[in-house]
Parts: sequence; structure tokens; C-alpha cells
Amino acid sequence: DTEVTQTPKHLVMGMTNKKSLKCEQHMGHRAMYWYKQKAKKPPELMFVYSYEKLSINESVPSRFSPECPNSSLLNLHLHALQPEDSALYLCASSQVTGLTDTQYFGPGTRLTVL
Amino acid sequence: AQSVTQLDSHVSVSEGTPVLLRCNYSSSYSPSLFWYVQHPNKGLQLLLKYTSAATLVKGINGFEAEFKKSETSFHLTKPSAHMSDAAEYFCVVSDVAGGTSYGKLTFGQGTILTVHP
Repeated sequence: DTEVTQTPKHLVMGMTNKKSLKCEQHMGHRAMYWYKQKAKKPPELMFVYSYEKLSINESVPSRFSPECPNSSLLNLHLHALQPEDSALYLCASSQVTGLTDTQYFGPGTRLTVL
Repeated sequence: AQSVTQLDSHVSVSEGTPVLLRCNYSSSYSPSLFWYVQHPNKGLQLLLKYTSAATLVKGINGFEAEFKKSETSFHLTKPSAHMSDAAEYFCVVSDVAGGTSYGKLTFGQGTILTVHP
């Protein structure tokens, strides 16, 4: 099974709201990722967690706060977002084998900031 | 630094005809290469991957890709297009730095495939 699940599927929030996105995988992968994808563009990496520790933060604004409570779960906490943050947020997981890393993506959360 | 160039932003074919989506890459060493497909408002689904084994790689849904080192290409093909193949396709290079347990992906800009009845 190569399934990554994400909730919610859709989220509409105001600029003063606090919300969270959730990602879950049960493949035993020890790396988990958050990507942001704008329309007609490829995904852009935001954060990487490896063994539950933050390994990469691609200079993401602090209004996005990631959290990895355990090896299966990844959260993205959202606060005081801007309308330009509206996008599809994708979670992925992987397990490096040798020098190969195959990432499996979830279905995404479509976020709209009003 | 790695880079990926998808040579066509849009490809249009008729149902039942062959599909060719072109991808060139730049890498300083032997890369891991992937094709992902994304249907509208969906996540990315892995179609196939090349990891320095056989140069002709077979994937899901009848797709295959051939790794050609001399041409630095990894083109995606399918003998006969189906309406359900209409989607956006991304060619991707993966980089795993030594001593790390994660990879960084470099995406092409994507090719939108349209299939006409």
C-alpha cells in the first residue's frame, strides 16, 4: 500500500483564522514533506522532516508552522495567512534506499484564504 | 545543480494514437528519474521511475520511458492514448545527499496532455 492521506480535502479560512492540515502515512517511511502548488505550476518544497526532526525549511514564512508528532503523522499549522497563500498543499513521504528516494504524494488540501 | 526541461508545455493527441512526452535532464551524476501524473485537483501519482537498472522502464497504465544517457533524455511514451490519460505530467529528478535520509526533487514545468475523442 502506497497511500498517503490528507485532511481536509478543502479548507476556506479568513486571514485571522487558525487552522491545521493533517497528513498520515502507514508505509513506515521516515521522511515526510510539505509542498505548495499554485495553479499551472509544479509543486514547491516547503518543509522536510526526517526521523521526526525538521531537516529543511525552504525559507517559509512563520505563519506556516509544521509539526511531526510521530513517524506517521505530519501537521501544518496555519495562522494569519494571506490571500496569496491560497494553493493546493501536498504532503509526501519516502524512504531512502541507497541513493534512491521515491516520494509518494497525498491527494492534497485545496486551501482558499479570503 | 540538477535541472529538468520538459520540451512541450501542451501535447494534444487523438484517442488510440501514440503519446510522446519529452523530458531532458541535467545532472552531474547518474540520476534517479521519475514521471508523475496529476489529474485536475488531485495529488501526484507515480507513473514510473528509473534508478540505474534497466534503461527501459515500464510503469502503470501502459506508460513506459527510456533513459538515454548520451542524450540526457527520459521521454515518456504510450502506444495508444485513452481519454483517461488527459492530465498534467511532471518529469522529476531526485537528489539524495550523502548521509541524509530524504531526497530533494527537481520538477520540470509540466506537460498538459489533451486527448481528443
